[in-house]
Amino acid sequence: QSALTQPASVSGSPGQSITISCTGTSSDVGGYNYVSWYQHHPGKAPKLIIYDVSNRPSGVSNRFSGSKSGNTASLTISGLQAEDEADYYCSSFTRSRTPVFGGGTRLTVL
Amino acid sequence: QVQLVESGGGVVQPGRSLRLSCAASGFTFSNFAMHWVRQAPGKGLEWVAIISFDESIKYYADSVKGRFTISRDNSKNTLYLQVNSLRPEDTAVYYCARDFGNYYFNFFDFWGQGTLVAVSS
Repeated sequence: QSALTQPASVSGSPGQSITISCTGTSSDVGGYNYVSWYQHHPGKAPKLIIYDVSNRPSGVSNRFSGSKSGNTASLTISGLQAEDEADYYCSSFTRSRTPVFGGGTRLTVL
Repeated sequence: QVQLVESGGGVVQPGRSLRLSCAASGFTFSNFAMHWVRQAPGKGLEWVAIISFDESIKYYADSVKGRFTISRDNSKNTLYLQVNSLRPEDTAVYYCARDFGNYYFNFFDFWGQGTLVAVSS
């Protein structure tokens, strides 16, 4: 199972919005509405921020939103804040009933 | 609150073995599927293995199949990963993560802080 494709890095200024893409195939992202997103500050435990494409867990800011079109899922962060600077990973259910991650995207808040 | 605490990592020579543990608390451990996920230095997250709540289902990444074994002891609220025939490319921080469901992958809703395994001669 090949990793999902994410941009290596994105950046934005405080208050702006950014979008991170996550591209797979019809055997993973495109075939199921089971895409999730994780925020990872280095040295800390990763944190779930979006599940089932567009659902936010309790306690996660509504500045985080998710969507999907075809084989590509997207994470949008609006009203960027300094504490959003982190690595972001997408994950998808696959035909083999196991997960696959994206390569990760480093978000820099300028 | 949900807590997952990994232990058992360390520096080990190639070809040797380790057993990683993940102590769970704050939830009914026996109701949830559990995973191991790793992150090599400078690399992204890589899924390693899943075990269903009742141990009836165990799946592994191709990169570890035949060398790693996932198990759990629901009476001790503990998840394990037996890692054998270690290779330098197994060097990583190993995280345990809880699945939202009890059989197959849904999503990882809680994660531990990780334990570092370094394979070096």
